Amino acid sequence: GIQVEQSPPDLILQEGANSTLRCNFSDSVNNLQWFHQNPWGQLINLFYIPSGTKQNGRLSATTVATERYSLLYISSSQTTDSGVYFCAVEPGDSNYQLIWGAGTKLIIKP
Amino acid sequence: DAGVIQSPRHEVTEMGQEVTLRCKPISGHNSLFWYRQTMMRGLELLIYFNNNVPIDDSGMPEDRFSAKMPNASFSTLKIQPSEPRDSAVYFCASSRQEGYYEQYFGPGTRLTVT
Repeated sequence: GIQVEQSPPDLILQEGANSTLRCNFSDSVNNLQWFHQNPWGQLINLFYIPSGTKQNGRLSATTVATERYSLLYISSSQTTDSGVYFCAVEPGDSNYQLIWGAGTKLIIKP
Repeated sequence: DAGVIQSPRHEVTEMGQEVTLRCKPISGHNSLFWYRQTMMRGLELLIYFNNNVPIDDSGMPEDRFSAKMPNASFSTLKIQPSEPRDSAVYFCASSRQEGYYEQYFGPGTRLTVT
């Protein structure tokens, strides 16, 4: 089955810093989503981005489907950005199953 | 618009007791998913409904787990009897239709079985 790898596994930054999180996947996908799981456990949708680039405030994401990777950019980090960031993909041969990466744990220090 | 609603948010029960988790999907969404999250196994899909019909229940751990969706606005996940290894966070998610639309997650139910 498809493999989803996220890097780095852990990231500690000072408030105000920028960061790039990466998601590699091993096969074609119909769908790719980025989620933020905050310290209270809530899973928040960030982007639905099977291809192309999207921006939402300080966050942006780019998926290059032909090269099988996606990047999540966080600019001017705030302490509220702390948590775990997950990439989840829907394989090309599925129409509902999400395969999840292990996540990147981000800690933003004040 | 209201998001996915789950209840209860926290449940503590003793081994052997029945546990029922509830979910109200986003209005207009016709796909519903139950997930379980643990430190060891991450997020696991338990069951997927489309138009109130169970399509894939291959992730349901064993016969102690059952799920129903009697109508488009309500689903339950039941564990009977519960065991300590069932302790986890259970999420419900919904999407507009199978594939090609993003899944939205509820706040989760943190279940502790003692």
